[in-house]
Amino acid sequence: DAGVIQSPRHEVTEMGQEVTLRCKPISGHDYLFWYRQTMMRGLELLIYFNNNVPIDDSGMPEDRFSAKMPNASFSTLKIQPSEPRDSAVYFCASSQQGRWAGNTIYFGEGSWLTVV
Amino acid sequence: AQKVTQAQTEISVVEKEDVTLDCVYETRDTTYYLFWYKQPPSGELVFLIRRNSFDEQNEISGRYSWNFQKSTSSFNFTITASQVVDSAVYFCALSRPNTGNQFYFGTGTSLTVIP
Repeated sequence: DAGVIQSPRHEVTEMGQEVTLRCKPISGHDYLFWYRQTMMRGLELLIYFNNNVPIDDSGMPEDRFSAKMPNASFSTLKIQPSEPRDSAVYFCASSQQGRWAGNTIYFGEGSWLTVV
Repeated sequence: AQKVTQAQTEISVVEKEDVTLDCVYETRDTTYYLFWYKQPPSGELVFLIRRNSFDEQNEISGRYSWNFQKSTSSFNFTITASQVVDSAVYFCALSRPNTGNQFYFGTGTSLTVIP
């Protein structure tokens, strides 16, 4: 089975540009998460969705960040305008809630963002 | 409040040595899950194991073993006969299944296996 698929894997962009990160969760999973990882702050949960509905976006750093999940198989994380401090690895992850599924989170390979 | 503590920031061992990565958690929930993830130098986060709070049996998978002790709120991970390919950052995590699938990650332990 395909895992969580993220694109792009690497992105280098100039400050002020819009960045869109994409994610395809594992088929059948009803939770989707966006995490950010930096050396200083470790793994941070930005937002998560349940059945395509945003449940908790309290981790989104500021209004420059937005996330959408128009359907069960696709989500985007957008940064507009981007700033150098947004440079990080952004992980998308998905899970399936349920007694036997045990809500294990499966991560994509990450999108490595560099804002210069 | 939920918290996961990995007190060991960095560990270095010589190949073939055994190494234990410590994980201590805090929660008032009676039902919860514990996890270990591996992040090799290539950067992806790989799921290793899940344990639920009602199952304190230790688990062994090849050279990997996990020791879950509720009495000490610990979920330690041992690698036997370490190999260079084990070099990675290892994260311990706790989740609360009945609260929106929230995950709480430790800060990770960076393991370097020296050939």
